[in-house]
Amino acid sequence: GNSVTQMEGPVTLSEEAFLTINCTYTATGYPSLFWYVQYPGEGLQLLLKATKADDKGSNKGFEATYRKETTSFHLEKGSVQVSDSAVYFCALRGVSGNTPLVFGKGTRLSVIA
Amino acid sequence: EADIYQTPRYLVIGTGKKITLECSQTMGHDKMYWYQQDPGMELHLIHYSYGVNSTEKGDLSSESTVSRIRTEHFPLTLESARPSHTSQYLCASSDPTGTGNTIYFGEGSWLTVV
Repeated sequence: GNSVTQMEGPVTLSEEAFLTINCTYTATGYPSLFWYVQYPGEGLQLLLKATKADDKGSNKGFEATYRKETTSFHLEKGSVQVSDSAVYFCALRGVSGNTPLVFGKGTRLSVIA
Repeated sequence: EADIYQTPRYLVIGTGKKITLECSQTMGHDKMYWYQQDPGMELHLIHYSYGVNSTEKGDLSSESTVSRIRTEHFPLTLESARPSHTSQYLCASSDPTGTGNTIYFGEGSWLTVV
């Protein structure tokens, strides 16, 4: 079945540091891939997505590229801010489109000034 | 901006009480979901629906039940709450047409059973 594996946290970075959160997936065909962010006390918000191989999703300075050859969708940001402190979830939606999202276990990011 | 609403946001109830968590969306989405999020952050799908009068159980066994009588409404009910039900419950909806299969989440309902 479909699955998502993302790096375990917590991740602690200083402000302006470079961020990478690794995400790899297992699925047949070409699933849609997503990164969601959850700020403290809130629900999940879509951060970015990519629906086909080599697509790059980007939003708020975050980027992730859909790599079919490595089955990866790593999240990156060149310079993190304290306001980026949150939990980040990588997710996958199967090719049929008729299946619920499969989430990774989440990675907690703390950015310190 | 997603239009999906959950009530209550926070609730503390006693063991054995019946509770219904409300979820409504104004986007006309056919698909709706309930996820349970444990303190370790992991999300578990407990129920989903692909339209009116359609409900399915998710990956995680749950003692809760759901109903889908109207497209916009997907309430979750616990008939007899227990401390093990203490968790955050997240409602979501999606429409695959023209949105890349994006799922939109409500802000969550924090339930504490004492």
